[in-house]
Amino acid sequence: AQKVTQAQTEISVVEKEDVTLDCVYETRDTTYYLFWYKQPPSGELVFLIRRNSFDEQNEISGRYSWNFQKSTSSFNFTITASQVVDSAVYFCALKSGGGADGLTFGKGTHLIIQP
Amino acid sequence: EAGVVQSPRYKIIEKKQPVAFWCNPISGHNTLYWYLQNLGQGPELLIRYENEEAVDDSQLPKDRFSAERLKGVDSTLKIQPAELGDSAVYLCASSKAQGYEQYFGPGTRLTVT
Repeated sequence: AQKVTQAQTEISVVEKEDVTLDCVYETRDTTYYLFWYKQPPSGELVFLIRRNSFDEQNEISGRYSWNFQKSTSSFNFTITASQVVDSAVYFCALKSGGGADGLTFGKGTHLIIQP
Repeated sequence: EAGVVQSPRYKIIEKKQPVAFWCNPISGHNTLYWYLQNLGQGPELLIRYENEEAVDDSQLPKDRFSAERLKGVDSTLKIQPAELGDSAVYLCASSKAQGYEQYFGPGTRLTVT
């Protein structure tokens, strides 16, 4: 069975602070995909990144960066110099490489950026 | 490029009534998903289509839920009869193929009274 754990239910920081959202996953598959989605108050899930299990290279996109470590089954997400517009619920998700299932989501982390 | 379109955005019905949700995926996306999202939770898969074929419906409560994707494009999810516990957001997503990133629609927020 697959599982995604986002232990941080809610994080509140002041604008311009850096913040890291944790994601730990469980799977028996050797091939799998990891994702991060953002869900702002409007409710629509916005795709942020997709990683496959064979690519452990960290990625940076503007103020966003992702740290994938297979040794600890973690795929953490860092926002540098946070902004109020970053306030949202962030979901980490896992998909089996075998393909039979959809995404397995964590429960999400509610990020609050205070001005 | 237009995103995933869903309608209606909101629906309020009384229990035991039927309800239907409609989804139009991104053009060219062969894989379509229906998810259910309860408050404070991540989405949970209900059914996945590859073109017009339902290839994974193991999580769909088949006694009251049904879905179809005629012609492999638009899809409809139906609940009949609705129960109080069905109140949730119903999300539709599509992807080029399985394994690729999924793009989500705005969802339909269902309230059953």
